[in-house]
Order: sequence, then structure tokens, then C-alpha cells
Amino acid sequence: EIVLTQSPATLSLSPGERATLSCRASESIYIYLAWYQQKPGQAPRLLIYDASNRATGIPARFSGSGSGTNFTLTISSLEPEDFAIYYCQQRSSWPPVTFGGGTKVEIK
Amino acid sequence: QVQLVESGGGVVQPGASLRLSCVASGFTFSRFGMHWVRQAPGRGLEWLTLIRYDGTIQYYADSVKGRFTISRDDSKSTLYLQMNGLRADDTAVYYCARPDESCSNTACHFPYWGQGTLVTVSS
Repeated sequence: EIVLTQSPATLSLSPGERATLSCRASESIYIYLAWYQQKPGQAPRLLIYDASNRATGIPARFSGSGSGTNFTLTISSLEPEDFAIYYCQQRSSWPPVTFGGGTKVEIK
Repeated sequence: QVQLVESGGGVVQPGASLRLSCVASGFTFSRFGMHWVRQAPGRGLEWLTLIRYDGTIQYYADSVKGRFTISRDDSKSTLYLQMNGLRADDTAVYYCARPDESCSNTACHFPYWGQGTLVTVSS
């Protein structure tokens, strides 16, 4: 089973700042990584798929990069609605599909 | 627009059974593999199972293999999750998820999720 490790667990930033979230895979997953945003009481929302492709309707301030075992989600300038938990997910080697443990982006 | 609506959650005792449903609309249900994902309170996301578009093959996470069964009724555009032998650690919100068209019958990313249904296993 591929393990995804997200860091940091919590990121404390102010609106307007840049957020950089990391997801590391236990073995190569090529580009088969997605990122989700989840707010309390809501289902996850797909942001990025296949490492760097923005999903439909996702603002350009969200970008993804990486391949192999190291991936990054960048939010270029945090908006108030961006404070949430972010999860990565791999689909390269399955079953099972696996998710990372999440990074909480909180207001500083 | 794509909609997924789960139902069937509730409070049950350890060892009990429960069947969850997910009614789909806004797309041709029979063309897509479908997944269940759960989230324990305050925890992360856990993929559980996939059923292929034609219902012929199912895949399961080890944590539910042998206890949970995924199925579908295309005439009703409905996905099911039969859960037997429920344990306290099965307590979670259960989501059905539709994959992207580009990888609709294999492991994929999920642009569409239901609102979730809460299952609580407690004595």
C-alpha cells in the first residue's frame, strides 16, 4: 500500500500570504496525485488532478507540481475562503486508493 | 448537474448490519464505476471500495473486505453499500464518489461527492 505523508500538519498564515503544502509518497506514483479541499461539514472538493491540472472552476491561485514521490500544492495568495483542510490522494497503485493525513491551513 | 445523495446511515450496535444507498442523477450512471469513501470523526479520508460500471468486478480496502459489499442497480441509478459485522471503528461519515470520465472504471480522482451519511456504531 502506498503511504502518502503530508506536511506540515498545520500551516498558520494570514490572508494574502502564500501557502505551500507538501505530499510525499512512499514510492513513485508518477503524476497520479490529486489534491482536495475540505471545509467543516462538507464533502471534499477536487482542486488538482494528475499533479498539476486544475479541476473545473478552481481559481488560478491554486497550482500543483511534482512527480514521482514529491508533490506540492501552492496557493499563491490566500483568500479568507481558503482556510480549510487539504488532502492529497494517489491512484497509481491500487487497491487501495490512498489519501494523505491532511494539512490544516489556519488563520494566523 | 451531477448529484449524489446518500442515505441509510444511523446509530447501530456493534455486530449489526446496515445498508447505505446513493442515488445518482445528472449523468449516465451505468457508464461509470462508483466508489465509497469514509471519514471517521476528526480524521482523514479512507477509500473503501469500487464497483466497475458493469458490476462485474469489485475492489475493497482490507479494513472492510469480507464485511462490506458494494453493489449497484442501474435501473434505479443507485449505488449500495451493505455493511455487516459493524464495529466501533466503522463509525464515520460515508460518501459515495463518482470518478472523472477519463478514469471512470479504475482508480481515479473524484470531482463529484455526495453530502455523506453518518454511521455511528455504539453500544
